[in-house]
Amino acid sequence: ETGVTQTPRHLVMGMTNKKSLKCEQHLGHNAMYWYKQSAKKPLELMFVYNFKEQTENNSVPSRFSPECPNSSHLFLHLHTLQPEDSALYLCASRGPQETQYFGPGTRLLVL
Amino acid sequence: ELKVEQNPLFLSMQEGKNYTIYCNYSTTSDRLYWYRQDPGKSLESLFVLLSNGAVKQEGRLMASLDTKARLSTLHITAAVHDLSATYFCAVVVIDKLIFGTGTRLQVFP
Repeated sequence: ETGVTQTPRHLVMGMTNKKSLKCEQHLGHNAMYWYKQSAKKPLELMFVYNFKEQTENNSVPSRFSPECPNSSHLFLHLHTLQPEDSALYLCASRGPQETQYFGPGTRLLVL
Repeated sequence: ELKVEQNPLFLSMQEGKNYTIYCNYSTTSDRLYWYRQDPGKSLESLFVLLSNGAVKQEGRLMASLDTKARLSTLHITAAVHDLSATYFCAVVVIDKLIFGTGTRLQVFP
């Protein structure tokens, strides 16, 4: 366990559904990240939050909407997704020496 | 455009053998990370290399950094099956980590 948890671990949703991914860290870190990992592609940074403020939106479509109510929690709200959005979504928090600690990920399948 | 390239992308090696994974990057960065990912699992931090010439070792893995050449290596000594995983390098740019494509390592008897 790295101290970063994500729920759900697996999610199947239709293109018209609305769902949310949750990330929680108990490491006392102040920066949190969302990444997308697709097959045969490098890890893609989606969003960065520092002290609850969004500091990076890496050209992510608006059907992905992040929320960071406090330094320990991060959400990714999903709506009207496309099949190509199927991927592993990883949350991370940033600790000492800029090392990022990753959660177990949510495996998302969009039908 | 910032690029982080790893080679090889896939490595199949016999137990007991040695091999090196290479990570090249295209921008100035004095900090480099190595991560391991097991199938279906998340990323686990292996090494943080913070300066030119840094070398770190943990068990059968040794990582080094040459910032002038923009090159890091991950050397595997006397491989064992438990090392089978995908290995990623990543460089930091401001507060972002830019990851390489990964090297999938399979160790067979």
